[in-house]
Amino acid sequence: EVQLVESGGGLVQPGGSLRLSCAASGFTFSSYWMHWVRQAPGKGLVWVSRINSDGSSTSYADSVKGRFTISRDNAKNTLYLQMNSLRAEDTAVYYCARGGSSRHAFDIWGQGTMVTVSS
Amino acid sequence: SYVLTQPPSVSVAPGKTARITCGGNNIGSKSVHWYQQKPGQAPVLVIYYDSDRPSGIPERFSGSNSGNTATLTISRVEAGDEADYYCQVWDSSSDLVVFGGGTKLTVL
Repeated sequence: EVQLVESGGGLVQPGGSLRLSCAASGFTFSSYWMHWVRQAPGKGLVWVSRINSDGSSTSYADSVKGRFTISRDNAKNTLYLQMNSLRAEDTAVYYCARGGSSRHAFDIWGQGTMVTVSS
Repeated sequence: SYVLTQPPSVSVAPGKTARITCGGNNIGSKSVHWYQQKPGQAPVLVIYYDSDRPSGIPERFSGSNSGNTATLTISRVEAGDEADYYCQVWDSSSDLVVFGGGTKLTVL
């Protein structure tokens, strides 16, 4: 079964750090671009970042550039999001998603992991 | 940055046709993807490349894209179609992905 499973969410204080993981299974992870998308409570979807298949190219939303780092370990079939200098406005459910036949159409999504930034 | 505009809500009676629009500057020159999200669930891709349907998505779902507007059309609407719908594009000039604000579809 094709699956993405996120982990690493939780409660963190403003200014703190957190690393999210996304474990992939059921497909050749190293062949696909991968993305992070977030959704604040009661709000819409917001794209966060993407990484190409071999990890050599990345892109970030302006709101997280310089604070978040996306990476991947193709040997472990795992995608990461290192989040530093966290702010209250980063509070959201974070989804990892696979870029399918179109690298920027997300055909597989994880169930999401909640990140809460609060003192 | 590129902006996508969706109506906040659309209402339709069962069995009728729902049309959800997504406006953007010359959006017809971009590939538009659509997602359905039900409460408490992850989004699901329902249309990609403007009008293609992933396997498992009913033929009742279709899409079009021209000029400054892309449209998701849901024919013979069912109660189970009630959800939030989001359009999405990749802006090649900035290498950024953009989502519309989302449209809540209510089945009356």
